[in-house]
Amino acid sequence: GAVVSQHPSWVICKSGTSVKIECRSLDFQATTMFWYRQFPKQSLMLMATSNEGSKATYEQGVEKDKFLINHASLTLSTLTVTSAHPEDSSFYICSASGPGVTDLLGVGGFGTQYFGPGTRLLVL
Amino acid sequence: GNSVTQMEGPVTLSEEAFLTINCTYTATGYPSLFWYVQYPGEGLQLLLKATKADDKGSNKGFEATYRKETTSFHLEKGSVQVSDSAVYFCALGGQAAGNKLTFGGGTRVLVKP
Repeated sequence: GAVVSQHPSWVICKSGTSVKIECRSLDFQATTMFWYRQFPKQSLMLMATSNEGSKATYEQGVEKDKFLINHASLTLSTLTVTSAHPEDSSFYICSASGPGVTDLLGVGGFGTQYFGPGTRLLVL
Repeated sequence: GNSVTQMEGPVTLSEEAFLTINCTYTATGYPSLFWYVQYPGEGLQLLLKATKADDKGSNKGFEATYRKETTSFHLEKGSVQVSDSAVYFCALGGQAAGNKLTFGGGTRVLVKP
């Protein structure tokens, strides 16, 4: 239980183009989804929090017009990197949280985040 | 604000050695505490969790106890395997933290045969 997928796993694009990354909760309803960015050998940096049906809340320093987040359903959130540049190259990871989720540990519950496998973006 | 401090790596061990990764936290209220593991090129997997003081989380031979008096949540495993080589993240969160996770810097563990 509590499986989260991301698509694509790898993407290479040219500078100036836009890239969309999908995050899906496969077996539970995700009332909240989170988007993180991770640089090599570093910890995760929270970019934004999205609640289903609401606008995303962005962390300080994250450009909301550059990183568009949509959470239109309880199982899908998308992150669109608009007009991508080489400095946007990174590993993007989503996570999902929802009430009543039980994972393989037999625990879970609201407040536990389950992570996707990540999407590696390379902008040339 | 909330913060998590964990020991810097890399930690290099031989197979069957004892592993300890220290984690201490600063938080307002009563957060939940988590350990996540990240294998190369992958996302994070929840390893274990504790939601209140003196709770012990355990999974796959790993365990950690929520110590409110020392604000710690140290991860331990009695006998590591090569397959335990990964980066381990300590985090705090839960409803008391607005459901956001605050991560430590991560500890890279390398287990040699």
